[in-house]
Amino acid sequence: QVQLVQSGAEVKEPGASVKVSCKASGDTSTSYYMHWVRQAPGQGLEWMGIINPSGGSTTYAQKLQGRVTMTRDTSTSTVYMELRSLRSEDTAVYYCARVRSPNNARDAFGLWGQGTMVTVSS
Amino acid sequence: EVVMTQSPATLSVSPGERATLSCRASQSVSNNLAWYQQKPGQAPRLLIYGASTRATGIPARFSGGGSGTDFSLTISSLQSEDSAVYYCQQYNNWPPYTFGQGTKLEIK
Repeated sequence: QVQLVQSGAEVKEPGASVKVSCKASGDTSTSYYMHWVRQAPGQGLEWMGIINPSGGSTTYAQKLQGRVTMTRDTSTSTVYMELRSLRSEDTAVYYCARVRSPNNARDAFGLWGQGTMVTVSS
Repeated sequence: EVVMTQSPATLSVSPGERATLSCRASQSVSNNLAWYQQKPGQAPRLLIYGASTRATGIPARFSGGGSGTDFSLTISSLQSEDSAVYYCQQYNNWPPYTFGQGTKLEIK
């Protein structure tokens, strides 16, 4: 059974950086586009960006450009999301999500990680 | 950017009855529309993709419809475990992939 397992909760001070990992188990094919989505406390879902695990190409949400980097390690079937210059408004649960079908960016998010809580506080 | 607008914000329905949730896109997204269910403390779960196709393991009481700009999610014969927040999402015109603000479904 395919699962996405994310790293644990983080507490960071304003201005710091955080790096969250998301490891695929089961079907570890590199053919599936991966997304990062975040959810502030009590709020809705916000798309952050997409990475092609095969070639490593990325596209980010405009509001996060310059502060976010998504990478992948194909040898361990892991994708990473790093967010820099953290602010209090970055406090949220961060999810990785995989599309349903291989090699298809125009697709729904069929599999989600369990989420990683990132708290930004001094 | 395609703006997704869901209505109502909150819906309260009795067990066994039917609930209909709406989602409108600010421009056509063809049928590239998904619905997700999110329960407290859990990650979202895909219910419907392609506007009307149920994801694997989703009960038949969940059905989706619509195309272009107007979509609906219908849950027939509501059960207590259907209490959740439901989000629609378009994946036609990206970036960005955009979500609606959610509809909270309460079971009376």
